[in-house]
Amino acid sequence: EVQLVESGGGLVQPGGSLRLSCAASGFAFSTSYMNWVRQAPGKGLEWVANIKQDGSEKYYVDSVKGRFTISRDNAKSSLYLQMNSLRAEDTAVYYCARGGTIVMVRGVVTPLFDDWGQGTLVTVSS
Amino acid sequence: EIVMTQSPATLSVSPGERATLSCRASQSVTINLAWYQQKPGQAPRLLIYGASTRATGIPARFSGSGSGTEFTLTISSLQSEDFAVYYCQQYNNWPPLTFGGGTKVEIK
Repeated sequence: EVQLVESGGGLVQPGGSLRLSCAASGFAFSTSYMNWVRQAPGKGLEWVANIKQDGSEKYYVDSVKGRFTISRDNAKSSLYLQMNSLRAEDTAVYYCARGGTIVMVRGVVTPLFDDWGQGTLVTVSS
Repeated sequence: EIVMTQSPATLSVSPGERATLSCRASQSVTINLAWYQQKPGQAPRLLIYGASTRATGIPARFSGSGSGTEFTLTISSLQSEDFAVYYCQQYNNWPPLTFGGGTKVEIK
């Protein structure tokens, strides 16, 4: 059974930093594309970032570029999101999502969001 | 960035009835569209990808159609467990991967 367990959320002041972790089990983590997706309270879903299986490619939504860094440790089956210079608008539940289904779109490897963790809440407020 | 727009925002349906949800893309995404279901307090679940292919374990009452900029998710006979929020998501042109704002299916 696929399990994704996020941790590291909490209350942080604007301008502060947090590091989220996602512990994965029940599947071959090292061969899976991984994503972070967030959901502001009462709002919809927003993709944040993803990382290729070997960590060689990383992509971000514009609003977090230069502030957030996605990384992974395949030996520990873990995914991370380092969040710096946090803003009030970063307040959200952050989900770790496995890109199990991969589709080729015009020659580009594209992951879907097959399995999700339960999320960790990040609140940015003074 | 491709903007995804879902309608209606809320759909009131009686159990056993059909529900039809719409999703529109700001430019063509061909068939590179997925649908997700999210129940209160839970993480989303992948329902459909490739506009019409059901994900593993998804019941046949869920069906997707469309291509280009117009898409539909149909739930043929609503069960109690289907009352939830549904999101469409395009993956034709990324980054960023983008979601619609969601349609809440509620009990009439």
